[in-house]
Order: sequence, then C-alpha cells, then structure tokens
Amino acid sequence: QLQLQESGPGLVKPSETLSLACTVSGGSISSSPYYWGWIRQPPGTGLEWIGHIYFTGTTHYNPSLESRVTISVDTSKNQFSLKLTSVTAADTAVYYCARHYSGWSLLYWGQGTLVTVSS
Amino acid sequence: EIVLTQSPGTLSLSPGERATLFCRASQSVSSSYLAWYQQKPGQAPRLLIYGASSRATGIPDRFSGSGSGTDFTLTISRLEPEDFAVYYCQHYGGSPPLTFGGGSKVEIK
Repeated sequence: QLQLQESGPGLVKPSETLSLACTVSGGSISSSPYYWGWIRQPPGTGLEWIGHIYFTGTTHYNPSLESRVTISVDTSKNQFSLKLTSVTAADTAVYYCARHYSGWSLLYWGQGTLVTVSS
Repeated sequence: EIVLTQSPGTLSLSPGERATLFCRASQSVSSSYLAWYQQKPGQAPRLLIYGASSRATGIPDRFSGSGSGTDFTLTISRLEPEDFAVYYCQHYGGSPPLTFGGGSKVEIK
C-alpha cells in the first residue's frame, strides 16, 4: 500500500521560505506513471492545488502561486519537495502531498502537516 | 479559468436518507477529469469518484456520480453515520490546471 508522509517545520516567519518534503513508501516515485502533487487547505476553508511533478522533473504550477513555488523530486530518496518563498500569514495552511490517479484525480494522500506563518 | 460551484453549501439530513450534491462548472468540462472527495475533520480528503462516475477502490456502492458538460452530481443513496462529512468536486484542465469546488457539508439533522 502506497503511503505518503509530509515533513518540515511547522512554523515559518513572514518573508521566509516554507520548505516541505514528502517521503513515499510502498512504491517507487520513478516507476509510477502518475504525477505527484502538493495541495493546501487554510484553516476552516477549502482545498487549493499548488502544483505537481513527474519523476522526470516536469512540473506544473498554479498560476496564482507560480512566482513563489518550486517543486522538485529526488528519486534516490523517493521524495519530492515543496518550496514556497516570501510567505505571509495567508500561506498558513495544512499542506498535503498526494499522488495522482486516473483522470488526474488524487488517490493517495499524506496525512497533512500544518504550517503556520508567524513571527 | 474554470470555476466549480458546489451546492448546497450545507445539507441537513438523517441517517438512511438520500443525499444529492451538485457541482457546476463555469464552462463545459470533460467528465473524464471530474472527481469527488470526502473529507472528515482532521483527515485528508479521500477519493470517492473519478471520471465523473467511476468509484475508487473500496468505495461503497451507495456512492454514485453522474453528469456531463457543466453539471455533475454526487449521490449517496442511503446515508450511513460515517458519511456525514464535507464533499469536494475537482476538475483537471484549463488554467489553473487543477481546481476544487468550495465544498458541500452533509450534516446530521
């Protein structure tokens, strides 16, 4: 059974860079025909897609975040990562990593990690 | 930009009743790229339906999806206690490539 686990700081200061990693177990990133993505959910609100990556390094980003986002993959560690620069309080959210499935649905999800932006 | 509008915002029903949730797209979309999720408090979303009408593995058959063009529906034929949750629709295509609806909450009446 494929499992995803987010890791990274739970508190980031305004204007700094948010960095998270997603470790995949139970399967190999490089052998999957699907993309791997990041989604976030501000407290009490809905879901926002951040972007996704293929094991080759091909990425697609949400245009609303594209200027601040970088998603990368490390197949040797079976991980993919998220960097979001110049964060503000509006970036406070639960961040999920996930793997796509048929029709670009999202079948496998990490448990999510809360990142708070505050000084 | 494709906007997904879900209705109703909140649905108050009793166990055993039928729930019908709607997802309307701002323009015609491919049903192949329309999915539905269930989210309970403190949990990640769970994929229920992909391709507008295909159930994901392990999803009970009381959950069904239908629709095409701009109008899609998620139906829960008989609500079980564990079905009270928030439901999201999601589409892939356009810009941004992936969007979610605002969610519909099914609460116990």
